[in-house]
Amino acid sequence: QQQVKQSPQSLIVQKGGISIINCAYENTAFDYFPWYQQFPGKGPALLIAIRPDVSEKKEGRFTISFNKSAKQFSLHIMDSQPGDSATYFCAASGHFGNEKLTFGTGTRLTIIP
Amino acid sequence: GAGVSQSPSNKVTEKGKDVELRCDPISGHTALYWYRQSLGQGLEFLIYFQGNSAPDKSGLPSDRFSAERTGGSVSTLTIQRTQQEDSAVYLCASSPSPGGAYEQYFGPGTRLTVT
Repeated sequence: QQQVKQSPQSLIVQKGGISIINCAYENTAFDYFPWYQQFPGKGPALLIAIRPDVSEKKEGRFTISFNKSAKQFSLHIMDSQPGDSATYFCAASGHFGNEKLTFGTGTRLTIIP
Repeated sequence: GAGVSQSPSNKVTEKGKDVELRCDPISGHTALYWYRQSLGQGLEFLIYFQGNSAPDKSGLPSDRFSAERTGGSVSTLTIQRTQQEDSAVYLCASSPSPGGAYEQYFGPGTRLTVT
């Protein structure tokens, strides 16, 4: 019940296109869903996060869509740029025994010119 | 302000030796987490501190692994009698939350190589 499933494992998108990464979770006690961006040799950096009281959150070119009934959430990167090439991890956590982040397995995103 | 810092950035050790990894969280953050990232893998939870107490140690893979936190700040992860399968990047994160479900900010990690 602690698993977070992420897809695709790798993604190639043309510059200017939309990158979409999907995640699904099982534990209904999760109530916080962040996305992290990681460049080679660096620690993960918090990109954007959502709580289940809203269905969408947008920050610049990054949008999280959240479907509570389906227990799914996704990251959309609009106007993808070569600098967005990185590994992206979705995660989930909750309160009182679920404080740790449970991570998806990651998506390696490559933006090609 | 300063982010989460970890030291050393790289550590090479021989099988069977003990190692200590250090984490300095963001000032004022009450929660501290250790995760492990093996080559090409996702992030695996190890242990969670709230203040100096560790309410969740469920991710520690064996009794060779231990961690402590002092003064509600610095934390040390100790691996005794290191094995080759311990080779990974060890990441520390801190959070201002007293009860979870809040932003966690990661340090750059310590890359541990056991030869």
